Amino acid sequence: SQQGEEDPQALSIQEGENATMNCSYKTSINNLQWYRQNSGRGLVHLILIRSNEREKHSGRLRVTLDTSKKSSSLLITASRAADTASYFCATVAGGTYKYIFGTGTRLKVLA
Amino acid sequence: SAVISQKPSRDICQRGTSLTIQCQVDSQVTMMFWYRQQPGQSLTLIATANQGSEATYESGFVIDKFPISRPNLTFSTLTVSNLSPEDSSIYLCSVEDPGSEAFFGQGTRLTVV
Repeated sequence: SQQGEEDPQALSIQEGENATMNCSYKTSINNLQWYRQNSGRGLVHLILIRSNEREKHSGRLRVTLDTSKKSSSLLITASRAADTASYFCATVAGGTYKYIFGTGTRLKVLA
Repeated sequence: SAVISQKPSRDICQRGTSLTIQCQVDSQVTMMFWYRQQPGQSLTLIATANQGSEATYESGFVIDKFPISRPNLTFSTLTVSNLSPEDSSIYLCSVEDPGSEAFFGQGTRLTVV
């Protein structure tokens, strides 16, 4: 399977703490994206990082990408209860149009 | 960007019946994608729906079980046929720009009893 792996599978933190989740992938990529899914609904795009970028910020989100290790991390700072969701990384292999989603991290932020 | 309206949002179906899921996009798109998300799992691509041609199915998915229609550039349906409890999943449609992002419908939660 080309599916990426994410860890941890589940993460429970207190409101105000930072949450870090990691993604590893298997193929060369054009970009890597992170998505959020609330309660089994549709996924919502959070941030995209291109293969020639190493770090990107968007509000409370910080994404890093290490193409030599084929890995990425998503940091959510100052977490809120509303951040409770599942988070998925997704890659598009070079030369294809298909997204490959990681296994996901279930984040629970306790108020 | 794209806004996708997917329905139904959920359904409970009897074994042996079928469920048809509809997705309407607010703009014309070349390809639409159908995913299955089994309980607690990630998304698995079922097929790519192109207007005017047969859908392209991924390994492990067949047209007889998951027939897809794509009558125009803004609409597609996925039918899950001859339902069994193993088909209980969330089904999602999307349109994707590999250079930017994917846009998803709200998902259809199917329970087969």
